Amino acid sequence: QQQVKQSPQSLIVQKGGISIINCAYENTAFDYFPWYQQFPGKGPALLIAIRPDVSEKKEGRFTISFNKSAKQFSLHIMDSQPGDSATYFCAASMRQAGTALIFGKGTTLSVSS
Amino acid sequence: DAGITQSPRYKITETGRQVTLMCHQTWSHSYMFWYRQDLGHGLRLIYYSAAADITDKGEVPDGYVVSRSKTENFPLTLESATRSQTSVYFCATRIGTDGGNTQYFGPGTRLTVL
Repeated sequence: QQQVKQSPQSLIVQKGGISIINCAYENTAFDYFPWYQQFPGKGPALLIAIRPDVSEKKEGRFTISFNKSAKQFSLHIMDSQPGDSATYFCAASMRQAGTALIFGKGTTLSVSS
Repeated sequence: DAGITQSPRYKITETGRQVTLMCHQTWSHSYMFWYRQDLGHGLRLIYYSAAADITDKGEVPDGYVVSRSKTENFPLTLESATRSQTSVYFCATRIGTDGGNTQYFGPGTRLTVL
């Protein structure tokens, strides 16, 4: 049973454009929602994370929007750059230590120059 | 350097052989995790450990064994490798007390089972 659904599977965006990746979750006990960025041959690296008590979190060009009632959250990359080309994973978990991160299947982003 | 190291980075083995993947952290994080990454599946948890000598199963534990005699090491053993275990394996630790479940990932081991 997939608990975190991510879309789209792949995305092509022009340089300077906005990249939007969406995720939906099922388990209402989840209370921690990170996004990870992965470059080829590397491990995933935490990009930004949000808790359900806020609707939006922004760090530089990266913003998470969170809709608790819809059980959805999304990553927005403003002014997308070729260096942002990577695979992005959303994830969800409960905050207590040791609980697994449940990952979406990933979105491959290509930013064309 | 501080962080997580995994070895080997690449491994080719044959069906039925035993393989051990190593994970070492230079922090003293209590929690360590093993994930596998497969195309179309994202990352899935195999096993995790809350402390030395404490381990527990994740989503896909069958065919794997873990141990944790020291806080800094968390080896993953495939007792009798199968082709379905061809994957990229990532070790992770839980970072600090940030109130979340931030996990830091190692560089991965690409395992091919022929």
